[in-house]
Formats: sequence, structure tokens, C-alpha cells
Amino acid sequence: GAVVSQHPSWVICKSGTSVKIECRSLDFQATTMFWYRQFPKQSLMLMATSNEGSKATYEQGVEKDKFLINHASLTLSTLTVTSAHPEDSSFYICSGRTGSGNQPQHFGDGTRLSIL
Amino acid sequence: LAKTTQPISMDSYEGQEVNITCSHNNIATNDYITWYQQFPSQGPRFIIQGYKTKVTNEVASLFIPADRKSSTLSLPRVSLSDTAVYYCLVAPEGAGSYQLTFGKGTKLSVIP
Repeated sequence: GAVVSQHPSWVICKSGTSVKIECRSLDFQATTMFWYRQFPKQSLMLMATSNEGSKATYEQGVEKDKFLINHASLTLSTLTVTSAHPEDSSFYICSGRTGSGNQPQHFGDGTRLSIL
Repeated sequence: LAKTTQPISMDSYEGQEVNITCSHNNIATNDYITWYQQFPSQGPRFIIQGYKTKVTNEVASLFIPADRKSSTLSLPRVSLSDTAVYYCLVAPEGAGSYQLTFGKGTKLSVIP
């Protein structure tokens, strides 16, 4: 149980393109979803937290107009990297969690984004 | 959020028991301790979570002393496939955003 599906797993695109990444909780309702970024040989860095139906809360230094997050349902959140540039190339990982009881976060398998 | 400290790396031979200790001196009363495993180019995978004493599941055990200022993840009889980065995290439980702050983790290398 507690499966999070992330799509696509890998994307290459030209500089200036906008890229959308989907994160779905397959067998649970994710009242809260998180988006992380991980650079090579580094740890995960939290980008933003979103609760279903609410605006996302962004971490300091993360541009909300560049990284658009939508969490319109209890099973789907999307991250759109707008006008992506080579420095946005990274490994993006989402996670979901229910709001009830003692439940940990469950992570997707990540999206490798390469901007040429 | 309580800060955690783990060894940067550990090596172990196949078949041995591996214990990874995490220090979290500033843990709060309502904080839980959670361990994740991450393979290259994959998202972290939940291993085990606990609050106090000992928790055991099908893949690992988690030992937490009475003062809860540290915790030890125990992996019995590791295999090559256990080579990964292991993260110890401390965060409050309950309803709400429940943010996780990832430290550098411990890179476990299992040697044949």
C-alpha cells in the first residue's frame, strides 16, 4: 500500500520550455503533498508544501512564479517548471501523506529533468 | 525541527548486521523518528518509524533509548541490494503539514 506514482520519470527539453510533472497517490488520499529537489550527490531539499484545495507554501528561496504547484484533488498534485533553464536541471521528487493518525510521507520515484 | 547527525558512510560485508545510529539531541516531546532508504535515481522509501523503545518490522528494527536523543536503525543480515543512502528524520506527528528536513544521510556500501 501507500504508492505514489510520478510521471514522467525522465524528461529532456529545450531552454525556455515549461514542463509539468504529475504526482498521484494511487491507494490513499494525500491531504498534503510535498515537492523536493535533489542535486547530484546531495540530499533532498524541500521546495513546497501543498494541502488539497489550498495554495502551496514555498520554502525560502523557491520562486513560486517559476515552480507552479497545483493540488486540486486528494490524489493528484502537479509541479510546472515554467520557462525552464539549464540551472533548473535536477531530480524532482514528490511525496504524499494523509492527515490522519501516525502516517509517514510516501515518495514517488522522482523525475529527472534535463534542460538543454 | 530537530537536527539530526548521522555518519556520512558505512561499509559492511554481506550477511552482517548493520547498525546506523542517528543523533537528535533537540528532539521534542511530540517528535517521531522516521528512517528512509534511497537508491540512486529513486525516491526515498519508508523503512520504519518509532517514538520510543523498540519497533520491529519485516525489514528492520529501530531502537530508541529512554532519553530519545538518539536512535539506531538495525538491518539484519544485509545483502548487496541494501547498498543505499539511509536518512534519519525527526518531525512532529499528527494532522498538519508534517514537514521533513533531510540531512546528508548515511551511505551504506555492502561488500560481497
